Amino acid sequence: AQTVTQSQPEMSVQEAETVTLSCTYDTSESDYYLFWYKQPPSRQMILVIRQEAYKQQNATENRFSVNFQKAAKSFSLKISDSQLGDAAMYFCAYRAYNNNDMRFGAGTRLTVKP
Amino acid sequence: DVKVTQSSRYLVKRTGEKVFLECVQDMDHENMFWYRQDPGLGLRLIYFSYDVKMKEKGDIPEGYSVSREKKERFSLILESASTNQTSMYLCASSLVLPGANVLTFGAGSRLTVL
Repeated sequence: AQTVTQSQPEMSVQEAETVTLSCTYDTSESDYYLFWYKQPPSRQMILVIRQEAYKQQNATENRFSVNFQKAAKSFSLKISDSQLGDAAMYFCAYRAYNNNDMRFGAGTRLTVKP
Repeated sequence: DVKVTQSSRYLVKRTGEKVFLECVQDMDHENMFWYRQDPGLGLRLIYFSYDVKMKEKGDIPEGYSVSREKKERFSLILESASTNQTSMYLCASSLVLPGANVLTFGAGSRLTVL
């Protein structure tokens, strides 16, 4: 079974600073996908960024980037120039290539201080 | 603009009641999912469906059933609600494999069982 671990239940960052959220996963698969989802307070869960395991290049979406270390099974999310609107729960997720269901970590609550 | 709609945002039910949570998507997605979200546990998969009338158990199906009579609608049923089913329930949908198909989530249904 695949598991996803987020070891930081809570993190805080000063506005305009950079923060990194950690995620590790366990799998015996070679082909899979990794995702970061954001859940703002009382709002819908939305996709932040995704990474295909076969791609060596780290994914980037504007201020959001990942550090994907396949051998270490690590997938961290870096948020640059943090904004107040980045405050949310962040979930790391994994899906095997030939599997429909997605596995989620326990989440990291990010607070952004003005 | 809402693509995944969950019929009830907040529900309060009594122990032993039958509870229906409805989810409708308008994106013609094949896959639909029901997750349960609890603090410190992240999202756990209850059931998913990859086609009309097709379903597969997730990690925590006990005490739940599902129905998918039409492609766009996926219902979660609690046959006899219990207090330990008090939780946030999230519906999601996605395109079928393969590919890094992301989940599109509904706003969630917060269920309290008294």
